[in-house]
Amino acid sequence: DGGITQSPKYLFRKEGQNVTLSCEQNLNHDAMYWYRQDPGQGLRLIYYSQIVNDFQKGDIAEGYSVSREKKESFPLTVTSAQKNPTAFYLCASSKLRGNTEAFFGQGTRLTVV
Amino acid sequence: GQQVMQIPQYQHVQEGEDFTTYCNSSTTLSNIQWYKQRPGGHPVFLIQLVKSGEVKKQKRLTFQFGEAKKNSSLHITATQTTDVGTYFCAGPGAGGTSYGKLTFGQGTILTVHP
Repeated sequence: DGGITQSPKYLFRKEGQNVTLSCEQNLNHDAMYWYRQDPGQGLRLIYYSQIVNDFQKGDIAEGYSVSREKKESFPLTVTSAQKNPTAFYLCASSKLRGNTEAFFGQGTRLTVV
Repeated sequence: GQQVMQIPQYQHVQEGEDFTTYCNSSTTLSNIQWYKQRPGGHPVFLIQLVKSGEVKKQKRLTFQFGEAKKNSSLHITATQTTDVGTYFCAGPGAGGTSYGKLTFGQGTILTVHP
């Protein structure tokens, strides 16, 4: 089955801890994205990547870090520097040309306790 | 930087009424995409428009892309309760520093009263 997988679905973090959210795709897409969604809000872009070993900051990158060591994987680390990390995190992937439809994972709901 | 604005933020309609949401980008888009997110779910792709002035229809949904490729609209005719959800527009930048950056609008939350 082709698709994009995020894990875990729910994550609880203590204040001051770093956590890493996983995102894997087997769609052979070049582009991958991380978005944050707060209740009743839109999708805000955290980071995006168009090619392995390269990525760009989105609109709200502070307190987050990513890596793109493999085409299939784009993990997001929420660091202790992120002051308000409780949110719903969505990973997506797409082609870069032609039909650039974004496919989303099921999301990870992160709660700071 | 690239910004995508969407209005209205909320829309409450009676079943059978029409609904329209509008999307405006601060930069030219290579294409415009529309997504629907059901409560508790993730965004699901509806359609992509590429050409200036393009109009596409999917049953009761009509999508338009502006001549300057900076604005778009989604119109639903005769809404049904199954149309409930948040509708997002999104656009990858056409070039420069915004190339490949897929920016979403804030979304329009649609509620339909039976």
